[in-house]
Amino acid sequence: GAVVSQHPSRVICKSGTSVKIECRSLDFQATTMFWYRQFPKKSLMLMATSNEGSKATYEQGVEKDKFLINHASLTLSTLTVTSAHPEDSSFYICSGTSGSLDTQYFGPGTRLTVL
Amino acid sequence: GENVEQHPSTLSVQEGDSAVIKCTYSDSASNYFPWYKQELGKRPQLIIDIRSNVGEKKDQRIAVTLNKTAKHFSLHITETQPEDSAVYFCAAMMGAAGNKLTFGGGTRVLVKP
Repeated sequence: GAVVSQHPSRVICKSGTSVKIECRSLDFQATTMFWYRQFPKKSLMLMATSNEGSKATYEQGVEKDKFLINHASLTLSTLTVTSAHPEDSSFYICSGTSGSLDTQYFGPGTRLTVL
Repeated sequence: GENVEQHPSTLSVQEGDSAVIKCTYSDSASNYFPWYKQELGKRPQLIIDIRSNVGEKKDQRIAVTLNKTAKHFSLHITETQPEDSAVYFCAAMMGAAGNKLTFGGGTRVLVKP
């Protein structure tokens, strides 16, 4: 199956700093990438959808100025959590799809801890 | 938007028994229904999926059924093994909604040896 990587896998930062998470499709061109957030023992909640070369579409309740998403190429999307606060601590997971295909392939996730 | 309900939230079975997880969805326009297995701290892994033009699909010990009229779909795992212990998520996708997945709340499955 298709492979998606994420970097870093784990990050700890101080409150008020910004953190960038990278999501890469390694063996396919991800025309669409999705960003999810998952709190402990909870389900995956979609934050935003990004299409290569265009602005991301954010889900209701997700602040676009706080969670900056860039999808500059068919193999890379980035999520920047700006001015992070402890309540932003979570497991952030990306996924990618290719063309009109519906199967989403997930990255390994990034665990963010904001002190 | 789409809403997916998943039951039960926890399921404990004896090794070798079957496990069944049920999901319902709200939007009749949804046409793709994947199931993911997630181990602690790991990525969700696709284990089986079904599309709205099919009523049942099987892959070795795993099967999924879909009832479009009732808007529910189920995951069946037969001959469970300890390595089947994980959290399982159902999801529904509406192609017209940009291929966005809506996930159920998850089922924590424990297979006791």
